[in-house]
Amino acid sequence: DAKTTQPPSMDCAEGRAANLPCNHSTISGNEYVYWYRQIHSQGPQYIIHGLKNNETNEMASLIITEDRKSSTLILPHATLRDTAVYYCIVRVGGNQGGKLIFGQGTELSVKP
Amino acid sequence: DGGITQSPKYLFRKEGQNVTLSCEQNLNHDAMYWYRQDPGQGLRLIYYSQIVNDFQKGDIAEGYSVSREKKESFPLTVTSAQKNPTAFYLCASSPLRYRGVSGDTQYFGPGTRLTVL
Repeated sequence: DAKTTQPPSMDCAEGRAANLPCNHSTISGNEYVYWYRQIHSQGPQYIIHGLKNNETNEMASLIITEDRKSSTLILPHATLRDTAVYYCIVRVGGNQGGKLIFGQGTELSVKP
Repeated sequence: DGGITQSPKYLFRKEGQNVTLSCEQNLNHDAMYWYRQDPGQGLRLIYYSQIVNDFQKGDIAEGYSVSREKKESFPLTVTSAQKNPTAFYLCASSPLRYRGVSGDTQYFGPGTRLTVL
């Protein structure tokens, strides 16, 4: 079972910031928070991941609360091409060779 | 371009036939994975391999087989023993990191949609 909880759907206006929340209240100290997205009929695309500190890359920012029980993915200027299902995943880092457990994710609709 | 390729994109097979899905990566990643996705559902792990000539079963390995003869290739065979083979199949790869070092991010291919007629 997925260890994360996300809202099933969200809307965002084009050009505005999209803030996607994720709850992971049972996260362990050595587990990372990963975000992927999947556009219909395509493979999941890696977005960003983090352990404790906030992270930013060319795609998005990841804000992790101090207690690490929740996080927010921020797409600063959403475009229509950002419409996708966004998955928040927690897993142990390192040489685990293990699976990614995808929950139901959040279906983000960016509207003009 | 570096990346993961899967072929074909769409595949049709008759019931009772075996079929092999291709997955190739030129990222020099050690680990490779096969997942299955059914409509409206998350991904389920079929098999994974961390090193050449070695692989492990995932959660739903029954009816599937794999090989890892080369680092860059991890083909998946869907056998006639797989009861419900119609699905979207995704291949992924990742570098291997030691425990505690920044996570071993998995990168996915575009997928192969298999339909059994």
